[in-house]
Amino acid sequence: AQKITQTQPGMFVQEKEAVTLDCTYDTSDQSYGLFWYKQPSSGEMIFLIYQGSYDEQNATEGRYSLNFQKARKSANLVISASQLGDSAMYFCAMRERDRRGGATNKLIFGTGTLLAVQP
Amino acid sequence: DAGVIQSPRHEVTEMGQEVTLRCKPISGHDYLFWYRQTMMRGLELLIYFNNNVPIDDSGMPEDRFSAKMPNASFSTLKIQPSEPRDSAVYFCASRTDSPGGETQYFGPGTRLLVL
Repeated sequence: AQKITQTQPGMFVQEKEAVTLDCTYDTSDQSYGLFWYKQPSSGEMIFLIYQGSYDEQNATEGRYSLNFQKARKSANLVISASQLGDSAMYFCAMRERDRRGGATNKLIFGTGTLLAVQP
Repeated sequence: DAGVIQSPRHEVTEMGQEVTLRCKPISGHDYLFWYRQTMMRGLELLIYFNNNVPIDDSGMPEDRFSAKMPNASFSTLKIQPSEPRDSAVYFCASRTDSPGGETQYFGPGTRLLVL
């Protein structure tokens, strides 16, 4: 079964430093997509970054980059130059396959990592 | 462009009452998703629609839950009768079917409390 694992329940980082949030996934598929979402205390889910399994380069979006290591099945999120506003819950997600191997629209989510940025 | 719009943002009701949550997807998006988030179960997909047609409702917990999408710009999730264990944050999300449109964009959520 497909699974997303986020092993860090919580993390601290000093303002202006970089931080890496871990995500490992389990799938037997060759084609899949990985996502990171941010959920601040206000509750909304904000899309940050996407990585397709066939993308040769790591995805980047501003201060966010995805360290994609396919052989290790990891898709860690790197936030550079942390800001106080980065304090939030971060979720890693993967697009799921159905039982017959077809692509689905289901996203399966990890349990999240709570990031606290300290001044 | 406006994002996904959900209403109400907060709902407090008593057990046994009917609850209706509303969603307006991003214009032009072909898929609409309803998710529920709880501390115990995390984020889980309840149902999704493609071009207004329900495709997969295997995540709907029981017959008390129903969802409709009468047109491309509106969907409802109804709980009747509501129970305290339905208390959660309910998210609506949408995405396009266009190439490269992998990403699901979420609405702000509806915080439901059933007393």
